[in-house]
Amino acid sequence: QVQLVESGGGVVQPGRSLRLSCAASGFTFSDYGMHWVRQAPGKGLEWVVVIYYDGSKKHYIDSVKGRFIISRDNSKNTMYLQMHSLRVEDTAVYYCARDYGAGATSPDYWGQGTLVTVSP
Amino acid sequence: DIQMTQSPSTLSASVGDRVTITCRASQSISNWLAWYQQRPGKAPKFLIYKASTLETGVPLRFSGSGSGTEFTLTISSLQPDDFATYYCQQYDRLPLTFGGGTKVEIK
Repeated sequence: QVQLVESGGGVVQPGRSLRLSCAASGFTFSDYGMHWVRQAPGKGLEWVVVIYYDGSKKHYIDSVKGRFIISRDNSKNTMYLQMHSLRVEDTAVYYCARDYGAGATSPDYWGQGTLVTVSP
Repeated sequence: DIQMTQSPSTLSASVGDRVTITCRASQSISNWLAWYQQRPGKAPKFLIYKASTLETGVPLRFSGSGSGTEFTLTISSLQPDDFATYYCQQYDRLPLTFGGGTKVEIK
């Protein structure tokens, strides 16, 4: 069965960096696009970034452009989110999610999330 | 960016009720719309894609309809497991955007 496990969350001060990982299993990782979606405490879902199945295309929301970098290692079935210059407003549960297809459509399977708290 | 607006934001209902949630897009998205269910403390669950296609394993009491800018999610007979928050999401164009959510509460 499809499994996505996030790791790397924690408490960090504004301006610092953090790297999230998403380990995938139960499907052919290299066939699917992958997303990060976040949810601030008590708020709704916000899509953050997608990487296509082969890593050839990446798309970010404006608020993280130039600060966050998505990557994937298809040989390790793992996706990463490198977050720099973190802001208080980046505080959220970050979900790793598989795309329904090879690119950027709808996330179908989701991990359980990892909490990132940015606090002075 | 395409704005997605859900209504109502909260809905109180009883087990067995028929429930309808509306999602409106700020511009036409054809039928590139998905619905998710999220229970407290859990990850979202994929329910419906292409506005009306039920994901495998989703109970038949769930249905979706609509195209263009107006969409609905209907639960034909609310079950205890269905008390949750529901989100619509468009994938016509990037950035992907979600509605603000509709919380279905026990009346």
